[in-house]
Amino acid sequence: DAGVIQSPRHEVTEMGQEVTLRCKPISGHNSLFWYRQTMMRGLELLIYFNNNVPIDDSGMPEDRFSAKMPNASFSTLKIQPSEPRDSAVYFCASRLGPGNTIYFGEGSWLTVV
Amino acid sequence: AQTVTQSQPEMSVQEAETVTLSCTYDTSESDYYLFWYKQPPSRQMILVIRQEAYKQQNATENRFSVNFQKAAKSFSLKISDSQLGDAAMYFCAYRPNFGNEKLTFGTGTRLTIIP
Repeated sequence: DAGVIQSPRHEVTEMGQEVTLRCKPISGHNSLFWYRQTMMRGLELLIYFNNNVPIDDSGMPEDRFSAKMPNASFSTLKIQPSEPRDSAVYFCASRLGPGNTIYFGEGSWLTVV
Repeated sequence: AQTVTQSQPEMSVQEAETVTLSCTYDTSESDYYLFWYKQPPSRQMILVIRQEAYKQQNATENRFSVNFQKAAKSFSLKISDSQLGDAAMYFCAYRPNFGNEKLTFGTGTRLTIIP
């Protein structure tokens, strides 16, 4: 079975550019999560959706970050404009429903120079 | 707020030996889940094992087992017969069963396997 699919796997961009990270959750899963991993802060939840509706976005660092889930099989995390401190690995994860295990994608490694 | 503490930044073990990774957590909830995730150099987060707080029996998955002490809020991971492929960062994580269901992670333990 296909797992959570993220793209791109790696991206290097210049400061000020827009970055869009994409995620396809596991088919049938109705919860989707965006996490960020840095050396300084570890793994942090940025936002999560239930049934395509954002439930908790308190982890989104600032207005430069936005996330959408237009349908059950696709989500985006956008950073505009990007800054060097946004450099991190961004994970998307999905879950079948409450009480079920969260499965992670392979991550998108973002470097902003 | 829930917190997860992994007090061992690094651990090493001889191949084929047994190693235990420590994790403690703080919560006022009574119903929750605990997890151990493995992150190899590829960076993917892989679920190793999960424990439901209402279950007294410790979870086991092949060479991986946990020692769940609910009163002490302790959740250690034991890896038996360590293999070179076990080398990775290991993260302990907590999630409440109700309300905000976000995973809270510890800071991780880097496990090295010595051939």
